[in-house]
Amino acid sequence: LAKTTQPISMDSYEGQEVNITCSHNNIATNDYITWYQQFPSQGPRFIIQGYKTKVTNEVASLFIPADRKSSTLSLPRVSLSDTAVYYCLVGPPFSGYSTLTFGKGTMLLVSP
Amino acid sequence: GAGVSQTPSNKVTEKGKYVELRCDPISGHTALYWYRQSLGQGPEFLIYFQGTGAADDSGLPNDRFFAVRPEGSVSTLKIQRTERGDSAVYLCASSLMGLGGLFGELFFGEGSRLTVL
Repeated sequence: LAKTTQPISMDSYEGQEVNITCSHNNIATNDYITWYQQFPSQGPRFIIQGYKTKVTNEVASLFIPADRKSSTLSLPRVSLSDTAVYYCLVGPPFSGYSTLTFGKGTMLLVSP
Repeated sequence: GAGVSQTPSNKVTEKGKYVELRCDPISGHTALYWYRQSLGQGPEFLIYFQGTGAADDSGLPNDRFFAVRPEGSVSTLKIQRTERGDSAVYLCASSLMGLGGLFGELFFGEGSRLTVL
């Protein structure tokens, strides 16, 4: 299983773009990259998923370089409500989430 | 309901007691997962159901933990002879498997906070 490494915490200010990078050096050919967000006292919430290059949705963008050994979650113009823990997960499709491991995640603190 | 529902939201029990935690997944979701989350840690996988059967229970820490999903919908996580180390938030999630060829998005409940005194 591909292990992921993320920064423990990050600080930002409202209106800034935040980029959280996840390292997954031993990602397998058929692994996908998924990011979740978790607010205090809530379960994690799916943000975005991708395999290569760039994926964008209404919440975030996910950048994956050609070697796929890392990925970057980009949050445009963050607000106070984006303060949360962000988890990067790597794993193969069709295998179920039993093979996915949530690490400690990145605690993002957005200040006014 | 529209989302994953977990009850109770909070449970305080004494060491050695038996506890049941209930999860009501999103209607139509065939896959159901239980995770455990300790303070400052990410969710830790416990067990995964596909329909009524436990497809993977490799995350259950020991035989005091057991989960069922008899009709392929509601699931109950059962903990016997609780220990202080079992204190955590127990999260349930459900998903539509194989949608679009990928593992489906997980939808989590708000969790059941278990405190063992």
